[in-house]
Amino acid sequence: GESVGLHLPTLSVQEGDNSIINCAYSNSASDYFIWYKQESGKGPQFIIDIRSNMDKRQGQRVTVLLNKTVKHLSLQIAATQPGDSAVYFCAENNAGNMLTFGGGTRLMVKP
Amino acid sequence: DTAVSQTPKYLVTQMGNDKSIKCEQNLGHDTMYWYKQDSKKFLKIMFSYNNKELIINETVPNRFSPKSPDKAHLNLHINSLELGDSAVYFCASSQDINYGYTFGSGTRLTVV
Repeated sequence: GESVGLHLPTLSVQEGDNSIINCAYSNSASDYFIWYKQESGKGPQFIIDIRSNMDKRQGQRVTVLLNKTVKHLSLQIAATQPGDSAVYFCAENNAGNMLTFGGGTRLMVKP
Repeated sequence: DTAVSQTPKYLVTQMGNDKSIKCEQNLGHDTMYWYKQDSKKFLKIMFSYNNKELIINETVPNRFSPKSPDKAHLNLHINSLELGDSAVYFCASSQDINYGYTFGSGTRLTVV
């Protein structure tokens, strides 16, 4: 079946470095993608989204890149901080009325 | 003000019991969802309601029954709880799927 997946289950970075979290999706019909951040004991929180008519979108310290040719999505976090430590999920709207989530990547920031 | 609130936050119960989890959103959204997150953090859709009507019912045991008394509430009732039901259950809402969801803080269900 169609699915959203992640390459790395855990990513460890040094504080101040940039982080890149990757996601592969398989449904070429998906037209909307979101990155969520989930801190321990909390629900997923919206970080940034991108539509399929774009290939890049920037927020505050975060950038999402979309490569439709290879069905790849990435989240870049600049100057990673301890507060960025969390599990990050990509999600796609591939069925019209629900989001399908990837398996998550745990980001650990070392001081 | 909490946008999407779930109660209880923690629920420990014995096998065979029946329990309910409540969810309320004050965002005025039309659609609400229940997701199950397993121990490996995988999030799987269970149900979706739009204006009190069921629009998604993924393959979940019929021991799980959602109830939506109005569009601001979507409760989850679980009968005859099993060990495998232990997970974190998240409620979410959205006005339009093309603008993402707002999640509650989750209910950690432990069946012993």
